[in-house]
Amino acid sequence: EVVMTQSPATLSVSPGERVTLSCGASESLGTDLAWYQQKPGQAPRLLIYGASTRASGIPARFSGSGSGTEFTLTISSLQSEDFAVYYCQQYSYWPPYTFGQGTKLEIK
Amino acid sequence: EVQLSESGGGLVQPGESLTLSCVGSGFIFSHYAMSWVRQAPGKGLEWVSGISGGRIKTYYADSVRGRFTISRDISKKTLYLQMDGLRADDTAVYYCARFSQDKWQINFDSWGQGTLVTVSS
Repeated sequence: EVVMTQSPATLSVSPGERVTLSCGASESLGTDLAWYQQKPGQAPRLLIYGASTRASGIPARFSGSGSGTEFTLTISSLQSEDFAVYYCQQYSYWPPYTFGQGTKLEIK
Repeated sequence: EVQLSESGGGLVQPGESLTLSCVGSGFIFSHYAMSWVRQAPGKGLEWVSGISGGRIKTYYADSVRGRFTISRDISKKTLYLQMDGLRADDTAVYYCARFSQDKWQINFDSWGQGTLVTVSS
């Protein structure tokens, strides 16, 4: 099973700041990685797939990069609606599909 | 607009069974592989099971293999998860999720709102 590790677990940031979230994989994934956003009481929402392709309707302030075992999600200027939990997920080695433990963005 | 709507959750005792349903709309249901993903209270996401668009292939997480059965009725545009021998650690919100194509090496692109399953005596 591929283990996905996200860091940090929690990030306290102010609106308008630039933030980078990290995700590491225990095996090389190529670019078979997705990022999801989840707000309290809501289902996850796809943000990024193929490590760097924004899903339909996702604002340009979200960007993904990386390949192999190291990936990042960057939000260029945090908006109030971006405070949420972010998960990375690999789909290169399955089953099982595995998720990171999540990074929570909270307001500083 | 793609919509997924789960139902069937509830409170059950350990060892009992429950069947979850997920109705899909806004897309050709048979053209996409589908999956169940769960989230225990206050925890992260855990993939549970997946089924191909043509219902030929199914996969399960080790934690549920032999106890859960995934299926789909294309005519009803409905995905199911039959859960037998439920345990306390199966307590979670269960989401149905659509793969972005009828293939396995691909991301999920749409999620339902989830249905809560609580296993407790």
